[in-house]
Amino acid sequence: QVQLLQSGAEVKKPGASVKVSCKVSGYTFSSHGITWVRQAPGQGLEWMGWISTYNGNTNYAQKFQGRVTMTTDTSTNTAYMELRSLRSDDTAVYYCARGMWGYVPYSVSDYWGQGTLVTLSS
Amino acid sequence: QSVLTQPPSASGTPGQRVTISCSGSSSNIGINNMNWYQQLPGSAPKLLIYSNHQRHSGVPDRISGTSGSLAISGLRAEDEAVYYCAAWDDSLNGWVFGGGTKLTVL
Repeated sequence: QVQLLQSGAEVKKPGASVKVSCKVSGYTFSSHGITWVRQAPGQGLEWMGWISTYNGNTNYAQKFQGRVTMTTDTSTNTAYMELRSLRSDDTAVYYCARGMWGYVPYSVSDYWGQGTLVTLSS
Repeated sequence: QSVLTQPPSASGTPGQRVTISCSGSSSNIGINNMNWYQQLPGSAPKLLIYSNHQRHSGVPDRISGTSGSLAISGLRAEDEAVYYCAAWDDSLNGWVFGGGTKLTVL
C-alpha cells in the first residue's frame, strides 16, 4: 500500500533551518511528483511547492521562493524539504503528498504523509 | 485570507444530507477541476473527490462532488471533520485551498 513516512517533530530557533524528510513506499518513487503543504496551528492548508521525482524539476510558491529547497534521493525513495531563515510564523505541521498523475505540479495530491510539526522557539 | 471561499461551518443530524460550497475565480475553479479533502482531528488530509466528481479509492458513494460543492448523504458521526476544497490556480501557478468548513454532526 502507498505510504509516505515523514521525519519527526523539530524545535528550531528563529533564523535556523529545518529539513523534513518524506520516505515513500508501495509505489514507484519516480512516477509521481511530491507536493509539500503546511498548516499553521488552527489554520488552513498552504501549498509550498512541488518537485518532480523523475528529473528534479521544482515549482515553488512565490511566498517561499529563495527560502525553500525541495530535493529527492531516488536511491532511498525519499523527498526532502528544507526551509531556511525560520521565523515564528513558520510554526506549522508540514506535509508531503504524492501527486496522483506523474510529472506535473497540477496533479491532485492523493496520499499524504502523517505530517511533521516544526515549532519555532527562542 | 484563502483564495477559495468556503463557509466556516456546517451541520446536520445523522441521516441528513449536507452540502458544502466552494467558490473561486476564473483563474482557478473557473477553468480547473475542484477537489475535496477531509481532515479528521489530529490527522493528515485525505482525498475524497478529485476532478470535480471522481471519488478517490475507498470513498463511499454517499459522498459526492458537483461543480462547486461537496455533498454528504446519510450523515454519520464519523463524518465530523474539516473539509477543504482545492484547485490549481493558473495565475499563481500553484495550488490554492479554501479556508475549510467544520462539519458538525448534531
